[in-house]
Amino acid sequence: NAGVMQNPRHLVRRRGQEARLRCSPMKGHSHVYWYRQLPEEGLKFMVYLQKENIIDESGMPKERFSAEFPKEGPSILRIQQVVRGDSAAYFCASSPPWVSEAFFGQGTRLTVV
Amino acid sequence: GQSLEQPSEVTAVEGAIVQINCTYQTSGFYGLSWYQQHDGGAPTFLSYNGLDGLEETGRFSSFLSRSDSYGYLLLQELQMKDSASYFCAVHYSGGGADGLTFGKGTHLIIQP
Repeated sequence: NAGVMQNPRHLVRRRGQEARLRCSPMKGHSHVYWYRQLPEEGLKFMVYLQKENIIDESGMPKERFSAEFPKEGPSILRIQQVVRGDSAAYFCASSPPWVSEAFFGQGTRLTVV
Repeated sequence: GQSLEQPSEVTAVEGAIVQINCTYQTSGFYGLSWYQQHDGGAPTFLSYNGLDGLEETGRFSSFLSRSDSYGYLLLQELQMKDSASYFCAVHYSGGGADGLTFGKGTHLIIQP
């Protein structure tokens, strides 16, 4: 059973471009969380999704950011018109329902130049 | 909303014991987890407390007091490889869904 897979591991975008970050949860996991981490800082919650549903997006900026977790395929975090402040590590975690442990991917390091 | 407080940095000596505290204010709280993250790596799960008391896993133990909204992670026989950031995280239920929110992390520095 492969772990949580995130790709790409590193992504460089110019200001104004779009960034698409992918997360394939572990097999059998229906819950996906996205977190953003700035250097020397903690994990800031962005969004919590279950298959085809956004459960909690209270940590997501209202503009330019969106997330989905379709019935088939990976979860996608999409950032439109990126700015330098979007540069961070973005981590995805997954878990099955009613389980205390969340499994993290290796993260995507986004650099906006 | 959810809020967690943990020290930003703790320093300890190799072979010693260290305790990292976490206090929280959480609606719909039902559990506290701890995660370890090495520089440049992904967070990895260490422990979970759903009930009051102490959970022990090898050199690591975690404690929860729901009445005090407080928990701690205890690391014994510290090794240099334990130098990392440690995050407490609250599990909560509300609005028909579960959530998982992390604290800002404690950077543990181990000195020889």
